[in-house]
Amino acid sequence: NAGVMQNPRHLVRRRGQEARLRCSPMKGHSHVYWYRQLPEEGLKFMVYLQKENIIDESGMPKERFSAEFPKEGPSILRIQQVVRGDSAAYFCASSPFGQYTDTQYFGPGTRLTVL
Amino acid sequence: GDSVTQMEGPVTLSEEAFLTINCTYTATGYPSLFWYVQYPGEGLQLLLKATKADDKGSNKGFEATYRKETTSFHLEKGSVQVSDSAVYFCALSEGSGYSTLTFGKGTMLLVSP
Repeated sequence: NAGVMQNPRHLVRRRGQEARLRCSPMKGHSHVYWYRQLPEEGLKFMVYLQKENIIDESGMPKERFSAEFPKEGPSILRIQQVVRGDSAAYFCASSPFGQYTDTQYFGPGTRLTVL
Repeated sequence: GDSVTQMEGPVTLSEEAFLTINCTYTATGYPSLFWYVQYPGEGLQLLLKATKADDKGSNKGFEATYRKETTSFHLEKGSVQVSDSAVYFCALSEGSGYSTLTFGKGTMLLVSP
């Protein structure tokens, strides 16, 4: 059973460009979470999605950031007009039921560098 | 809001030494508690978890007990190995509804031969 897949693993963008990060959850999981890890910091929750629905986006900046999890295909985290402060590791996790006792399974992350 | 506080690192130990990494939390309700480990350049892997007070999570020689009275979930291992060198994150999931995680800042462990 393949784990959580993320691509690309590394992404370099210039200021003002768009970044698209993809996440395929574990087979059978319909709950996806995105987290951001800034240098020397822990992970911060950004957004929680189920298929075709955003459940909680309280951790996501209101400007430039968006997320989706379509009926078919991976979840996408999109960052428009990137700035240097967006440089970070972005991790996706999935869980089977979305309950607070669930284990979340993490992907390897996408490391975004903004030049 | 919810928060998790971990001891600052790095923690430097010799092989076979005893390990304790302290973790305390603030939460409303009765959260689930987790320890995740991150090896260099990789994602997070669940190490252990506990979902109610007095539960003990254990895995690969690591243990942590959910202490509601002290709001703590300290990680321990009796004899560390070089391969345990990694960053360890304590996290909680608030005890209601769905399970977004709140993480501590992480503690780096360095084990020398």
